[in-house]
Amino acid sequence: NAGVTQTPKFRVLKTGQSMTLLCAQDMNHEYMYWYRQDPGMGLRLIHYSVGEGTTAKGEVPDGYNVSRLKKQNFLLGLESAAPSQTSVYFCASRPFPGLGALRSTGELFFGEGSRLTVL
Amino acid sequence: EDKVVQSPLSLVVHEGDTVTLNCSYEVTNFRSLLWYKQEKKAPTFLFMLTSSGIEKKSGRLSSILDKKELFSILNITATQTGDSAIYLCAVEAGAQKLVFGQGTRLTINP
Repeated sequence: NAGVTQTPKFRVLKTGQSMTLLCAQDMNHEYMYWYRQDPGMGLRLIHYSVGEGTTAKGEVPDGYNVSRLKKQNFLLGLESAAPSQTSVYFCASRPFPGLGALRSTGELFFGEGSRLTVL
Repeated sequence: EDKVVQSPLSLVVHEGDTVTLNCSYEVTNFRSLLWYKQEKKAPTFLFMLTSSGIEKKSGRLSSILDKKELFSILNITATQTGDSAIYLCAVEAGAQKLVFGQGTRLTINP
């Protein structure tokens, strides 16, 4: 079982370059999230998606774009990378919560993280 | 603006001590509060809390939620060096938005 897979795991960019991080999940989850984590800080929500074709802004969306063209994939794009975007990026997914006995734990399933350095 | 605040940000104790980590929140349309443990890589799930006053327990870890005062605590008894980690609190605010606090870095010294 692959779970949530992020690619690439490491990347070094120059200021102004563009790149895309790919998140893929094979659990048929409805909801997907992109977070960034900086030293000494928790996870900050960049963008999230509640279903195929839908996206929404999180706490720190500026400088990033996302797309969810297929249910299993959630792409995070940096159009013009800046040193402030140096961070570790985590993708996560979770299923539809359900009702009653079928209600999920709400657990987020995380990818292993992608370390991005912008010089 | 949805906000989740954890305290303390850092805590150093000796093995065997009991610790209490705090998480307070201000969010619209609260749905649930989740606790995670993060060691080297991705966070791992500990608990989800939705109802006030009902304690969730797993071994030496326990957690409780107070929806009136808008906070949760995570207790760890008889701490071990393996409990050293960053503990993260997350709150689900309407429309499936999950917001995390800054985390508490817990260090257990032998």
